[in-house]
Amino acid sequence: AQTVTQSQPEMSVQEAETVTLSCTYDTSESDYYLFWYKQPPSRQMILVIRQEAYKQQNATENRFSVNFQKAAKSFSLKISDSQLGDAAMYFCAYRIPTGTASKLTFGTGTRLQVTL
Amino acid sequence: GAVVSQHPSRVICKSGTSVKIECRSLDFQATTMFWYRQFPKQSLMLMATSNEGSKATYEQGVEKDKFLINHASLTLSTLTVTSAHPEDSSFYICSALVAGNFENEQFFGPGTRLTVL
Repeated sequence: AQTVTQSQPEMSVQEAETVTLSCTYDTSESDYYLFWYKQPPSRQMILVIRQEAYKQQNATENRFSVNFQKAAKSFSLKISDSQLGDAAMYFCAYRIPTGTASKLTFGTGTRLQVTL
Repeated sequence: GAVVSQHPSRVICKSGTSVKIECRSLDFQATTMFWYRQFPKQSLMLMATSNEGSKATYEQGVEKDKFLINHASLTLSTLTVTSAHPEDSSFYICSALVAGNFENEQFFGPGTRLTVL
């Protein structure tokens, strides 16, 4: 079974600084997708960034980037120039593209605090 | 991006009653919808996968007779919590996959907070 592990229950970063959230996963599949979702206090899940396993290049979305290490099964999220609005729960997630049987497996989450 | 709505956003009911939660994809067709449950300060736990026109597939440990899922159209799925009890109080979130595009992201509804008294 696939598992996703987030070893940091809570993280804190000062505004304008950079923070990295860790995520590791376990799978025997070679083709899969990895995601980082943000869940602010409103509880609405928001996709932050996505990485296809077959792509060697790390995905980036503005201030958000990932460090994808396929051999190590590691998928960390870096948030640069942190803003107060980045404060939220962040969930790492994994999915294999097997059609309608595909489903997301979530990690336990990391609560990010952003301080002034 | 695609929008998924849920109704109601919060509901309070008495123990023993049934509650229906609706999940709609507003601007796209969703052949597959997922229902999650989230307890406070915890992650999302998948309850079931719902495919339009067929029976839902439930995760291990989820009572299919208690959590009835109907996916009658490409834009609507419903979750009915039957004979609700206080331990069913939780945050329920639905999510939808764009038809024929299952490699892509899932779009999440805003969630429904259920409180059973």
